[in-house]
Amino acid sequence: AQKVTQAQTEISVVEKEDVTLDCVYETRDTTYYLFWYKQPPSGELVFLIRRNSFDEQNEISGRYSWNFQKSTSSFNFTITASQVVDSAVYFCALSERSSNTGKLIFGQGTTLQVKP
Amino acid sequence: GAVVSQHPSRVICKSGTSVKIECRSLDFQATTMFWYRQFPKQSLMLMATSNEGSKATYEQGVEKDKFLINHASLTLSTLTVTSAHPEDSSFYICSASLTSGGYEQYFGPGTRLTVT
Repeated sequence: AQKVTQAQTEISVVEKEDVTLDCVYETRDTTYYLFWYKQPPSGELVFLIRRNSFDEQNEISGRYSWNFQKSTSSFNFTITASQVVDSAVYFCALSERSSNTGKLIFGQGTTLQVKP
Repeated sequence: GAVVSQHPSRVICKSGTSVKIECRSLDFQATTMFWYRQFPKQSLMLMATSNEGSKATYEQGVEKDKFLINHASLTLSTLTVTSAHPEDSSFYICSASLTSGGYEQYFGPGTRLTVT
């Protein structure tokens, strides 16, 4: 069955620290997509990244980087030199090709608090 | 980028009344729209998937007669919470996808429903 697990419920760091948010997924599909979304206090989800199952290349975007490892079914997200504005809830999500609709299965979310 | 709006952003209603929430894709045609529900400090739970011109597909445990979904056009989907009760109070989020089975979802800003 499909599932996304974000084991870290809450993380608190001090500004400028690096922080890694873990995401482990389960799927029987060979074709699937993984996502990270940010949900600030305003509530609106902000798309961060999408990765397909055939592309294991790590990606870096500014202070954000993602490590996709199929061998461990993980798609971890690292924020380098964290800032107070990074404080939010972060969701990892999975979409399976077999669903045909593209529906997303979300993890439980990780609340990140960055203190000044 | 693709923009999705929701209206209203906040609504307070009395128990027993019905509330309609609109979700619009502003600059693209959305073949598929999704409705999610999010309780405080919890993840997003998919309620239903709707395709333009056809009946919505509800997730297990979601009452079809209570949460009426209409996807009348490629840019508009509505969710009507019928005979609302305090336990229906939640944050409702819609998303839209450009293509059926497309894996990029664009999220609306959400609607906070409070039933008194």
